Amino acid sequence: SQTIHQWPATLVQPVGSPLSLECTVEGTSNPNLYWYRQAAGRGLQLLFYSVGIGQISSEVPQNLSASRPQDRQFILSSKKLLLSDSGFYLCAWSVLGSSRETQYFGPGTRLLVL
Amino acid sequence: QKEVEQNSGPLSVPEGAIASLNCTYSDRGSQSFFWYRQYSGKSPELIMSIYSNGDKEDGRFTAQLNKASQYVSLLIRDSQPSDSATYLCAVNKSGGSYIPTFGRGTSLIVHP
Repeated sequence: SQTIHQWPATLVQPVGSPLSLECTVEGTSNPNLYWYRQAAGRGLQLLFYSVGIGQISSEVPQNLSASRPQDRQFILSSKKLLLSDSGFYLCAWSVLGSSRETQYFGPGTRLLVL
Repeated sequence: QKEVEQNSGPLSVPEGAIASLNCTYSDRGSQSFFWYRQYSGKSPELIMSIYSNGDKEDGRFTAQLNKASQYVSLLIRDSQPSDSATYLCAVNKSGGSYIPTFGRGTSLIVHP
């Protein structure tokens, strides 16, 4: 069965510090991968998605970047964190590439920027 | 007009009652519809998907889809306090990529 991992689970970082969040998927090949952010009391905001190694699409301009160095690895980064980067970061995967494509979420990373 | 709309709630129902959660969407060509449950502090968990008009039942959960009226609903029978969570509606856009659009969720509280 498929499993998705995210780490760390929680993170407290000072403003201006760098960020690296990692997501890995097991049990599937060639997944589509996604990064979402959920601010407190807000909906899910799609940040990046990737349909293959090295292929990254950005949904909104921001202080963040993403990379996919391996088929089942997706990394979210920032060179300098802002207060507004605080939130719950969720990685998701999907397969199938059709209208029935279904997303499954990882456990998430809660980031607090102080 | 928001692409996927849900009443934020909270919707409060007594234990044992039927909870009815509603979602409307704007893209008439949407083909796939999903309900996720998100407990406080946790990630969303898929509970139902529906693709055709009508009802789809899975245990205590029933998803209902009406494409002509552009709404999808989730019924939870015999509601339990453990059903207390935020329920997210997601709709796959028509054409191109199939990245879903999520509603902001409805908070459900089931009180004993």
